[in-house]
Amino acid sequence: AQKITQTQPGMFVQEKEAVTLDCTYDTSDQSYGLFWYKQPSSGEMIFLIYQGSYDEQNATEGRYSLNFQKARKSANLVISASQLGDSAMYFCAMRGPNTGNQFYFGTGTSLTVIP
Amino acid sequence: DTAVSQTPKYLVTQMGNDKSIKCEQNLGHDTMYWYKQDSKKFLKIMFSYNNKELIINETVPNRFSPKSPDKAHLNLHINSLELGDSAVYFCASSQWGPRTDTQYFGPGTRLTVL
Repeated sequence: AQKITQTQPGMFVQEKEAVTLDCTYDTSDQSYGLFWYKQPSSGEMIFLIYQGSYDEQNATEGRYSLNFQKARKSANLVISASQLGDSAMYFCAMRGPNTGNQFYFGTGTSLTVIP
Repeated sequence: DTAVSQTPKYLVTQMGNDKSIKCEQNLGHDTMYWYKQDSKKFLKIMFSYNNKELIINETVPNRFSPKSPDKAHLNLHINSLELGDSAVYFCASSQWGPRTDTQYFGPGTRLTVL
């Protein structure tokens, strides 16, 4: 069963604007972690941000914030003030206590920042 | 300092050959993984080792064999390479625990089978 869903295969955003990348997840665990990774065209996977299921506040890391809505099982990534270097694939991932140390990844969203 | 390293970065080989990819992490993590990323960018878990013990072995051909000599190393050996094995292979590591279980990836190995 698919655990992580990213419904936007491709997104465009104007430079300096904010953009939201959607992610929904499916789990019966009470304790789990949600992650976002960036994969630029150079190919490496870069960790961006983490949200724990028991964290009451949304995670933020610089221009990245995670809009965590537990009841809706969504963990959207918000990038503020987009830059050309933000053009990349973005992957949402989840790990829980009952997944056997396994991370589940979504299919990714390709973001293009337009100058 | 490189956290998770893989060698080689590129690997071009003929069908039927045997090849290995090496992975090392200096983060002190207890869990290591191998992923395959296909041309559509889909990431598929292949194996996971925790303290040198195999804990995840997804449905992959038995031509793929991981080996973990110690918890800082996880190598991937592939026998009788096929065209469909062409992909990017990522090694990753993590340390299980609340707020410390972030997975960090190596730079990837692009395997091309001719």
